[in-house]
Amino acid sequence: DTGVSQDPRHKITKRGQNVTFRCDPISEHNRLYWYRQTLGQGPEFLTYFQNEAQLEKSRLLSDRFSAERPKGSFSTLEIQRTEQGDSAMYLCASSPRASGELFFGEGSRLTVL
Amino acid sequence: AQSVTQLGSHVSVSEGALVLLRCNYSSSVPPYLFWYVQYPNQGLQLLLKYTSAATLVKGINGFEAEFKKSETSFHLTKPSAHMSDAAEYFCAAVYGGSQGNLIFGKGTKLSVKP
Repeated sequence: DTGVSQDPRHKITKRGQNVTFRCDPISEHNRLYWYRQTLGQGPEFLTYFQNEAQLEKSRLLSDRFSAERPKGSFSTLEIQRTEQGDSAMYLCASSPRASGELFFGEGSRLTVL
Repeated sequence: AQSVTQLGSHVSVSEGALVLLRCNYSSSVPPYLFWYVQYPNQGLQLLLKYTSAATLVKGINGFEAEFKKSETSFHLTKPSAHMSDAAEYFCAAVYGGSQGNLIFGKGTKLSVKP
């Protein structure tokens, strides 16, 4: 069990650029979640996959955000035309069941200049 | 709206003292409740969980939490703080009808003084 891995760990970009984050969940987990965490706040839910199907999206996930999980394995989160307000830690988590017991990666920190 | 409230963004205790971190949930139907811990530069880790079995839940590293429906609370305690307990602690809930999506509180940063 190698845990949930996320890449890159840090990304600095200029406003208006596109960025993509990757998450590799624990291999036997069919559920995958993306959260966003800003300074002084708890993680906020963005979206959820069961296998390859994206079953729920938060209102926080604007049209500039898109997430995929092809073949039900790794997932990508893309942010188009980044804004300074997108600066945050993006967390990925996986789980074998809908129990709330999530296994988190270390996160991908985005800084938009 | 369903929410989780953590009282106190920062708590400071002396080594060996009692740790008490407060958490309240907002629902007449008790959700599943969790405490997660985040050490510096590490991912969130599950500390303990309440899923409607015993109201006193024991977790890792000597932490425990008590579910009190009458107070809609799920406070986290540890009898004797250790320096290694310094971290940020998040209370979270899964409400009925969700797909295991956690709703987190804002977190409480615990400092332990020698």
